Amino acid sequence: EAGVAQSPRYKIIEKRQSVAFWCNPISGHATLYWYQQILGQGPKLLIQFQNNGVVDDSQLPKDRFSAERLKGVDSTLKIQPAKLEDSAVYLCASSLDRTSNEQYFGPGTRLTVT
Amino acid sequence: SQQGEEDPQALSIQEGENATMNCSYKTSINNLQWYRQNSGRGLVHLILIRSNEREKHSGRLRVTLDTSKKSSSLLITASRAADTASYFCATDDNYGQNFVFGPGTRLSVLP
Repeated sequence: EAGVAQSPRYKIIEKRQSVAFWCNPISGHATLYWYQQILGQGPKLLIQFQNNGVVDDSQLPKDRFSAERLKGVDSTLKIQPAKLEDSAVYLCASSLDRTSNEQYFGPGTRLTVT
Repeated sequence: SQQGEEDPQALSIQEGENATMNCSYKTSINNLQWYRQNSGRGLVHLILIRSNEREKHSGRLRVTLDTSKKSSSLLITASRAADTASYFCATDDNYGQNFVFGPGTRLSVLP
């Protein structure tokens, strides 16, 4: 079974630029999550999708972050414009559904904002 | 405010010893999970314990949950150098939402 795929693995941008991350979850997984993990901290949930609908985006900074999962499969997370404090690893995870809970994580995208 | 809080923040033990990590949370939960993260990699699910369960085992892992104290512990028995990683607890609410991870415990197992 293929795991959660993410790209790119690394990205360096200057502040005020925009960036997009892509995630392809495990086939058949209805629930998709985006997390931000700052160095030395635990992952922080940014947004949770159930199929192509948003379940929880309470911690997403909506003035600069956006995410979509148009066909209920892969997803993109965008930051525009980026700030220095956005430097972090962005993790995508998927689970069979909201009630199964066990999440499978991708390798993450390490973003550095200079 | 953060739901899960692990302690200790860092733990260093010798190979073969047992390692115990604790997690405390603030509000009622549906499930509590433990994840492992090796340096520079994604998280790997270890074990899930539901709010109506008190103890669960998986190989060398033993997890307990005390909902009255809002706390959980993860015990790794007979540790190996390969167990060196960060360990996180995560909780969710009754709707399968509001996932919150703690800051993690960094475990170092010395050969």
